[in-house]
Amino acid sequence: DVKVTQSSRYLVKRTGEKVFLECVQDMDHENMFWYRQDPGLGLRLIYFSYDVKMKEKGDIPEGYSVSREKKERFSLILESASTNQTSMYLCASSTPGQSRTQYFGPGTRLTVL
Amino acid sequence: RKEVEQDPGPFNVPEGATVAFNCTYSNSASQSFFWYRQDCRKEPKLLMSVYSSGNEDGRFTAQLNRASQYISLLIRDSKLSDSATYLCVVNGGYGGATNKLIFGTGTLLAVQP
Repeated sequence: DVKVTQSSRYLVKRTGEKVFLECVQDMDHENMFWYRQDPGLGLRLIYFSYDVKMKEKGDIPEGYSVSREKKERFSLILESASTNQTSMYLCASSTPGQSRTQYFGPGTRLTVL
Repeated sequence: RKEVEQDPGPFNVPEGATVAFNCTYSNSASQSFFWYRQDCRKEPKLLMSVYSSGNEDGRFTAQLNRASQYISLLIRDSKLSDSATYLCVVNGGYGGATNKLIFGTGTLLAVQP
């Protein structure tokens, strides 16, 4: 069974803090993704990665960066958190190819005060 | 125009009812289609892929009309446990976008006893 884990379920940070969200998958998947989910807007892709040290911008990369030093781990970094980054953050992984299912982690509910 | 459009609902139906969800997508290059299910405060999970010829999985039937860029999901004999948000999902198209999934904002289903 595929397992994607995220470091925290709930996180509260202050404006201007640097925030790290960690994601780990145990299925040796090449692809990993970071989304945020907001009411009425659905899931929006922030960044994704096809391989170690590879990254591609998604639809809303501004204010975020990512790191993929190991195949199983994909980190999302908020360099200076802002209140408009309060959201649910979801990590996903998949094997390559157009018909590949994405498997999601449980999500991190981030609140920036 | 959103890339994937769904009626947000909510759809309130009695147990045993048949309910249909519709979805349209804008990218004619999309090649893969899915329905995901998301329970309240949980991560999205794959419900079923959607194939050109239509496909069925128990009480669930999915259909695709490529000419109209339209996807549907039919749930027969609704159960209380079917209550969730149903996400229509398409892949991003060719090349690097192949691995990307585009999510609709979801349709909320509430099955009433």
